[in-house]
Amino acid sequence: DIVMNQSPDSLAVSLGERATITCKSSQTLLYTLKNQTYIGWYHQKPGQPPKLLIYWASTRESGVPDRFSGSGSETHFTLTISSLHPEDVGVYYCQQYYTTPHTFGQGTRLEIK
Amino acid sequence: QITLKESGPTLVKPTQTLTLTCSFSGFSLSSHAMGVGWFRQSPGKAPEWLALIYWNDDKRYSRSLENRLTITKDTSKNEVVVTMTNMDPKDAGTYYCAHKRDAYSMWGQGLVVTVSS
Repeated sequence: DIVMNQSPDSLAVSLGERATITCKSSQTLLYTLKNQTYIGWYHQKPGQPPKLLIYWASTRESGVPDRFSGSGSETHFTLTISSLHPEDVGVYYCQQYYTTPHTFGQGTRLEIK
Repeated sequence: QITLKESGPTLVKPTQTLTLTCSFSGFSLSSHAMGVGWFRQSPGKAPEWLALIYWNDDKRYSRSLENRLTITKDTSKNEVVVTMTNMDPKDAGTYYCAHKRDAYSMWGQGLVVTVSS
């Protein structure tokens, strides 16, 4: 199984400041034949299902604010929130869908400082 | 607009079989590349991927649960059903189904399942 490791486990950021979460996969998520990278990022608030923010490593899902961006390649990936809003608190997960089982990182809890 | 909703028992006894139904709208599971996946989540933990069924009836299972899980689809009813046999208290949690287009783009609200005698 592909192991996804996120860091940090928790993060406190001031409103308006940048938040950065990283995710490392145990093997490449780049499918060279299609030139696609099979990683997504989700945001989950208490009592709610995960919400997809980013797919194909850097494509923003429809309706997701442009302060959210994804980057990275092969095995190292980053989710960046350029300017933290109050509604951005919660837990963030990376997930690979390169091969089943479609494994998640352990999560990063984001709070307001 | 894509919506999904999980239904089934919220309480099962140990050794019983859990049967959950995902009812969806806004897409067709007969369309190329569409899929529906099942997940579960324990409090404070990351979601755990359980199973996935594609438009062409290709089925994938969690390796650790493969011998307990079955996933099927009824395209005419817009439903996906997952069964998990021999339930144990460790299997308790919130069960979600989700639409897979590329990543899992839309999720149901989840169903809390308790396993207790």
